[in-house]
Amino acid sequence: DTAVSQTPKYLVTQMGNDKSIKCEQNLGHDTMYWYKQDSKKFLKIMFSYNNKELIINETVPNRFSPKSPDKAHLNLHINSLELGDSAVYFCASSQESWPTNQETQYFGPGTRLLVL
Amino acid sequence: RKEVEQDPGPFNVPEGATVAFNCTYSNSASQSFFWYRQDCRKEPKLLMSVYSSGNEDGRFTAQLNRASQYISLLIRDSKLSDSATYLCVVFRSGGYQKVTFGIGTKLQVIP
Repeated sequence: DTAVSQTPKYLVTQMGNDKSIKCEQNLGHDTMYWYKQDSKKFLKIMFSYNNKELIINETVPNRFSPKSPDKAHLNLHINSLELGDSAVYFCASSQESWPTNQETQYFGPGTRLLVL
Repeated sequence: RKEVEQDPGPFNVPEGATVAFNCTYSNSASQSFFWYRQDCRKEPKLLMSVYSSGNEDGRFTAQLNRASQYISLLIRDSKLSDSATYLCVVFRSGGYQKVTFGIGTKLQVIP
């Protein structure tokens, strides 16, 4: 069973569209994250949620909004997509608010977003 | 200056060699440090945490030098399967907690 799953795996869309990426974890973890890895392979944290409470909110455009319906899900909504949004988006989870207790983060397989 | 800096490489080493990577961080308030491994087109996976006293896991040794603000990763007896990108990760708290990944160092182990 996949611990952290993301859908879709690939997403190709036009500029200006609104899209969502879904993430689910079946590990019973309390904290979930979204990361963006750009074309230069630079991985940057975007958001972190612990029990549906935002605990990390890096400087990202407000076109990006995380939605956590329950602690097993953290979806990423992106409005008015731009060319620069093309990247790989990784979801992750950990038992507690990483890395306070140096808890392992488990990453999903990534969603490759291409904006045309 | 970037908050976390790594030499992107690539480091090309023969099988069996010992290789070391450094990662420097700029914020002295940084609290926790990690090495992650990322294979091509795969997700990052935790390799090891880095403790002040240094720690070892099999062929891998991680060390922290707070005075000079760097962490290191040493890989002994390199295997072909060690070929990957190694990401340095630094965490500090305060306000919204901040997690910063380095750009990663690419290692290629050659037969």
